[in-house]
Amino acid sequence: GESVGLHLPTLSVQEGDNSIINCAYSNSASDYFIWYKQESGKGPQFIIDIRSNMDKRQGQRVTVLLNKTVKHLSLQIAATQPGDSAVYFCADTGGSNYKLTFGKGTLLTVNP
Amino acid sequence: KAGVTQTPRYLIKTRGQQVTLSCSPISGHRSVSWYQQTPGQGLQFLFEYFSETQRNKGNFPGRFSGRQFSNSRSEMNVSTLELGDSALYLCASSSEPLPATQYFGPGTRLTVL
Repeated sequence: GESVGLHLPTLSVQEGDNSIINCAYSNSASDYFIWYKQESGKGPQFIIDIRSNMDKRQGQRVTVLLNKTVKHLSLQIAATQPGDSAVYFCADTGGSNYKLTFGKGTLLTVNP
Repeated sequence: KAGVTQTPRYLIKTRGQQVTLSCSPISGHRSVSWYQQTPGQGLQFLFEYFSETQRNKGNFPGRFSGRQFSNSRSEMNVSTLELGDSALYLCASSSEPLPATQYFGPGTRLTVL
């Protein structure tokens, strides 16, 4: 079936650097995308979302970019901090309004 | 506002038993979804309930079932447990039905021996 995938399973950055986490999706009918952060022992925490009628959305220190032509989604974190260390998931509706399909996740490690 | 709560947080069962997990959504949220999270398969959608009605179900066997009460609280039941059912079960709530921003609870860690 359709699924959301990630280019890299792990990402290691230095504190203060910018981080970019990538995600590829396969269903061109997907119209809603979300990024979640999951810290060890906790449930996923909503970061930011974007609908298919937009190509960029900014939050606090985070930016999501959507490229529908190549079906690619990215999460940019500015001035990465140790507290940003976590697993990051992208999810999309996969063309269905009734469920979200999650990627496998990218482990972000921030080195002090 | 209190977040999504799930009980119990940890559970150990043996094969063949059944289990019921509980989820209380954020106050005012009427949509509750359930997910199974395992290291191998990641986060997989189980089902969503909105106003006591199941809107959609993921690719799981009929041993997995759920329900939602009039106060939006939800329960998930797994019957005839198998070793492969060991996972973190996450509940998420949203004010609107999917697609919508979902807020997750801490999960219930189920271990099947």
